[in-house]
Amino acid sequence: AQTVTQSQPEMSVQEAETVTLSCTYDTSENNYYLFWYKQPPSRQMILVIRQEAYKQQNATENRFSVNFQKAAKSFSLKISDSQLGDTAMYFCAFSFMKTSYDKVIFGPGTSLSVIP
Amino acid sequence: DSGVTQTPKHLITATGQRVTLRCSPRSGDLSVYWYQQSLDQGLQFLIQYYNGEERAKGNILERFSAQQFPDLHSELNLSSLELGDSALYFCASSVPGRTGGYTFGSGTRLTVV
Repeated sequence: AQTVTQSQPEMSVQEAETVTLSCTYDTSENNYYLFWYKQPPSRQMILVIRQEAYKQQNATENRFSVNFQKAAKSFSLKISDSQLGDTAMYFCAFSFMKTSYDKVIFGPGTSLSVIP
Repeated sequence: DSGVTQTPKHLITATGQRVTLRCSPRSGDLSVYWYQQSLDQGLQFLIQYYNGEERAKGNILERFSAQQFPDLHSELNLSSLELGDSALYFCASSVPGRTGGYTFGSGTRLTVV
């Protein structure tokens, strides 16, 4: 079975500091994709960053970067220079292709609070 | 605006009633997914459609049903509503052939009283 685990239900960070959110997953698939989604208080789901499993280079989007360790099945998110607007629930997700559709599995989420 | 449109944004209804939630996917996306998110909970996958056909089912109750129409919009029908059905219902769509990377709508907040 495919699972996504986020072991930190809640985290906090001081504004302008760096924080790392953890995510591990379990799969027997070889070709898959990993994502981090952000859900701010508005409840809108926003794609933060995406990583293809076949790429060794870690994805980066501005202040957001990932540390992808395929052998360890680990996919952590680093937020640099944290801003108040980063306060949100963060969901790690895993996706793979099944015939003509893709299936996405979400982790339980980590609630991040950025403290002024 | 994500390009995925969900209506209505808010819905308040009584127990036992039936409601229909509507979703228009982003232009070019053939897959539509429905998720339920209860208060302070994660995302529960309900059902997926691809180009009009049901592709995957998750934890969807028998009281719930969905369909995707030829114009690719989708509707989620919830019947015999219970208090526990109160939740945020998300629709998401994706590009065919590109795995993952959902685009979510803004959700429909359903309150059952």
